[in-house]
Amino acid sequence: DSGVTQTPKHLITATGQRVTLRCSPRSGDLSVYWYQQSLDQGLQFLIQYYNGEERAKGNILERFSAQQFPDLHSELNLSSLELGDSALYFCASSVGSGHTYEQYFGPGTRLTVT
Amino acid sequence: GENVEQHPSTLSVQEGDSAVIKCTYSDSASNYFPWYKQELGKGPQLIIDIRSNVGEKKDQRIAVTLNKTAKHFSLHITETQPEDSAVYFCAASIGNQGGKLIFGQGTELSVKP
Repeated sequence: DSGVTQTPKHLITATGQRVTLRCSPRSGDLSVYWYQQSLDQGLQFLIQYYNGEERAKGNILERFSAQQFPDLHSELNLSSLELGDSALYFCASSVGSGHTYEQYFGPGTRLTVT
Repeated sequence: GENVEQHPSTLSVQEGDSAVIKCTYSDSASNYFPWYKQELGKGPQLIIDIRSNVGEKKDQRIAVTLNKTAKHFSLHITETQPEDSAVYFCAASIGNQGGKLIFGQGTELSVKP
């Protein structure tokens, strides 16, 4: 158990809908990262927040947005869902914001868009 | 662009043998290289990492080597056990982009008893 929690574990929804995925980092960690894992794209970095502020951005679609709240939990919002958005979404956390801090992953949320 | 290539995509070994997974990266500013193990239905688990000021790091049966000149790094697992069976991912940091990591495509390791 990494100490990173994610809810829900599974999510099934229809195309065009909007969903929110939630992540709580390990105690003491200030950075939260979101990743998408699909069979054809592998593990893709989406976005990083550090202490409430956006720190780094990957190839995150405009239909996706994230935020980190004062209690350091984070939410990833996915809107106008398409079949291709079906994937595993992982959250990770680290103590600092730089690129040499170990990132610890949560158990993931499996999103299925029908 | 930024890229990490990982080989092989699948690897099957007998219990007790060694396993080696290799990765190459493109960003010369990369200086942090973690390895993750992912078991079915679980999130990636950090198993070892190496930073660019070190050429080799070992933790019990697992070792990682780094060659910055050639831009490649490798994971070595000795005395493999069935519980080592999983998908292994290498990753590389991207310079000046926070904690952004680029991951390889993964290696599915199967250890046969």
